[in-house]
Amino acid sequence: NAGVTQTPKFRILKIGQSMTLQCAQDMNHNYMYWYRQDPGMGLKLIYYSVGAGITDKGEVPNGYNVSRSTTEDFPLRLELAAPSQTSVYFCASSHGTPSNQPQHFGDGTRLSIL
Amino acid sequence: DQQVKQNSPSLSVQEGRISILNCDYTNSMFDYFLWYKKYPAEGPTFLISISSIKDKNEDGRFTVFLNKSAKHLSLHIVPSQPGDSAVYFCAASAAVAGNTPLVFGKGTRLSVIA
Repeated sequence: NAGVTQTPKFRILKIGQSMTLQCAQDMNHNYMYWYRQDPGMGLKLIYYSVGAGITDKGEVPNGYNVSRSTTEDFPLRLELAAPSQTSVYFCASSHGTPSNQPQHFGDGTRLSIL
Repeated sequence: DQQVKQNSPSLSVQEGRISILNCDYTNSMFDYFLWYKKYPAEGPTFLISISSIKDKNEDGRFTVFLNKSAKHLSLHIVPSQPGDSAVYFCAASAAVAGNTPLVFGKGTRLSVIA
């Protein structure tokens, strides 16, 4: 029962580098989400997807890109890493809409940009 | 502007007593509310939810109360156990406004003292 799997768990980047945070779910969920959590703050939505081929911006999308080519995978891309992107990133999925279905979260990727 | 507020950053309770975690919201369109529990180095885990057509939902030791007129909900844990020590996030969504994503509060850290 893998659920939502995020890789890597930790990463240190230099300013200006790029990387992709991977997220995969094996529950056949249509909805997938990327959040970031800064210290002492709640989760803020970066991007979400309601199905393969469909993505939409959340509250804090600047500096990030996503794609959803399959139901299972929802990678998050940072093109030019900036110190403000130092955070813990969580991927989540749900069977239905946020209005009636709880989301299942991965264990997060802790990203530091120096 | 925070739409979901958890005004107590932390709460300490003795084992066996009741824990009450509070959450206030400002958006009257919210009609589905959830509580998530988060341990360190793990992703949030869904705990309990409530729809705006109800004022109470109970699941074992956990009960969520919703007061729509006051735009307030609370999570009661009875009896509290040391394993309940975690950060609790309140989240809300608005089905009537379309597929709006969840909005999270900043969380309350609960410490249950043996």
